[in-house]
Amino acid sequence: KQEVTQIPAALSVPEGENLVLNCSFTDSAIYNLQWFRQDPGKGLTSLLLIQSSQREQTSGRLNASLDKSSGRSTLYIAASQPGDSATYLCAVVVKAAVNKLTFGGGTRVLVKP
Amino acid sequence: NAGVTQTPKFQVLKTGQSMTLQCAQDMNHNSMYWYRQDPGMGLRLIYYSASEGTTDKGEVPNGYNVSRLNKREFSLRLESAAPSQTSVYFCASRRVQDTNYEQYFGPGTRLTVT
Repeated sequence: KQEVTQIPAALSVPEGENLVLNCSFTDSAIYNLQWFRQDPGKGLTSLLLIQSSQREQTSGRLNASLDKSSGRSTLYIAASQPGDSATYLCAVVVKAAVNKLTFGGGTRVLVKP
Repeated sequence: NAGVTQTPKFQVLKTGQSMTLQCAQDMNHNSMYWYRQDPGMGLRLIYYSASEGTTDKGEVPNGYNVSRLNKREFSLRLESAAPSQTSVYFCASRRVQDTNYEQYFGPGTRLTVT
């Protein structure tokens, strides 16, 4: 059974510092890994999707890497801003269950002005 | 395109009451999904419909039923609500031809059972 873990559960950084968010998964037979942002009381916003054949994806200040062999992904957010404060979730689609996204518990980020 | 829409946005039920959560998508997607999110946790799959006319259990199906009404609509029913079903419910959809296997999410329904 695929398990997805995000550590730490919460993170607080001063504005301008780079953010590093971690995601680990137990089954490396995945089709993709996706990072989402969730604001309090709101839905999910997809940030980046990395296919299993890719090593990284970039969008603006966001960069996500994927190391399937070690079961890890890292989301980097450069030069953090207070508007980056949110919960970040990672999720994977495993090859044995394409109709299921398995989510981590999320990392709650606070960027202090 | 509205994408994935969900109604209602908020609902308060008393224990034992029933209700149906509605979900619709206008992206001509084949597969649709219902997830729940509990405080401090990621989403867990309740039921899904891989294609029109089929439904299957996910990780946490107990206490729920679903109906794939047509290609656009997928509803989730709570027959006898319990406090343990207090949660945020998200609907999602996917185009089966999409080899990214990317799912698109609705805004969620916040349900409280007292």
